[in-house]
Amino acid sequence: GAVVSQHPSWVICKSGTSVKIECRSLDFQATTMFWYRQFPKQSLMLMATSNEGSKATYEQGVEKDKFLINHASLTLSTLTVTSAHPEDSSFYICSARVAGKYQETQYFGPGTRLLVL
Amino acid sequence: KQEVTQIPAALSVPEGENLVLNCSFTDSAIYNLQWFRQDPGKGLTSLLLIQSSQREQTSGRLNASLDKSSGRSTLYIAASQPGDSATYLCAVRGTYNFNKFYFGSGTKLNVKP
Repeated sequence: GAVVSQHPSWVICKSGTSVKIECRSLDFQATTMFWYRQFPKQSLMLMATSNEGSKATYEQGVEKDKFLINHASLTLSTLTVTSAHPEDSSFYICSARVAGKYQETQYFGPGTRLLVL
Repeated sequence: KQEVTQIPAALSVPEGENLVLNCSFTDSAIYNLQWFRQDPGKGLTSLLLIQSSQREQTSGRLNASLDKSSGRSTLYIAASQPGDSATYLCAVRGTYNFNKFYFGSGTKLNVKP
């Protein structure tokens, strides 16, 4: 089946630094990727939708200048948390929509846990 | 705005029991509904997907039903095992934007040996 990977799986950083998280579709092309955030004991909330080669669409309440998303190729999307603060500590999960035959299907990555000190 | 609720928030059962997890949603204009499993600190594993025109889906010991008109879905787990312990999430996708998942907050299941 389709596999989505994320790197890193864990990151600890100091407040004020920027952190980049990668999301890759390993064996398929993904025209659309999605970024979710999950706070402890809460469910996943969609942050933004990114389409290859175009600007990301952000959900209401998500700061686009703080969470920079780049979807430069059909297999890679990156989320950069700029000037991270402790309240940005969360579990970030990406998903990728399979282009072509399985257009309805989204596959989720294993997640990246971010801890900002 | 679509809201998805899952009851109970947590459930603890002895091994071998059959159990039912509940999911309700406020807007019946859904594209499909999906049940996921999430292990601690891990991503999501898709269990079952029910299209809006379907009533149920089965996979092994799992059976998911959908009653779109009443805004409800159930996940039935037969003969539960300790390995079933995880958080179970249901998510719906709307008709107008089927890219977007609306997730419930999950049911944390603990199956005791």
